[in-house]
Amino acid sequence: RKEVEQDPGPFNVPEGATVAFNCTYSNSASQSFFWYRQDCRKEPKLLMSVYSSGNEDGRFTAQLNRASQYISLLIRDSKLSDSATYLCVVNGGRGGYNKLIFGAGTRLAVHP
Amino acid sequence: NAGVTQTPKFQVLKTGQSMTLQCAQDMNHNSMYWYRQDPGMGLRLIYYSASEGTTDKGEVPNGYNVSRLNKREFSLRLESAAPSQTSVYFCASSSGQGNNEQFFGPGTRLTVL
Repeated sequence: RKEVEQDPGPFNVPEGATVAFNCTYSNSASQSFFWYRQDCRKEPKLLMSVYSSGNEDGRFTAQLNRASQYISLLIRDSKLSDSATYLCVVNGGRGGYNKLIFGAGTRLAVHP
Repeated sequence: NAGVTQTPKFQVLKTGQSMTLQCAQDMNHNSMYWYRQDPGMGLRLIYYSASEGTTDKGEVPNGYNVSRLNKREFSLRLESAAPSQTSVYFCASSSGQGNNEQFFGPGTRLTVL
């Protein structure tokens, strides 16, 4: 079983739609959680951290459910520019340093 | 402020050839990382350097060596390239304090024939 699992998609949605991505992780000791965005043939970039209480950044909302070991990302009012692959990322949970485990990513395609 | 830079951007090798991928960061970060990314798989950690003077194996270290030349530079060496090492290689850095953001370089696309 992969440590971080995501639905690979693609999710094909029209502009203005709301779309949600889910992610599960296997290491219950993980302490930090993130969503990264990766454009085609580019490097990953941090989209947002995910906090226990849930957090929002504009049209993006991230939720964490520690009991179910589940993370979600909600994108409202999708834009063409949101088309990318979204990587669920979990801290390794051991060692005290920044060792990240990446999911394979969920691809989003927003069309006019 | 260039962030994280990598050279080369593209490389084609024949099986058995060697090469070194270069990475440098100008953010005064303590920690640096090398990942590979293959289709359908998440980024996998090859080696990391938590601080200058230290290096440790990640998830997939076989066939690779690294050198943390100084605080800025972290190189990855393939001593005898194999087709299984065809991949996109990303270098990243972070301040190393707690669970904070990693910044990635633009990647090196390597093909081993």
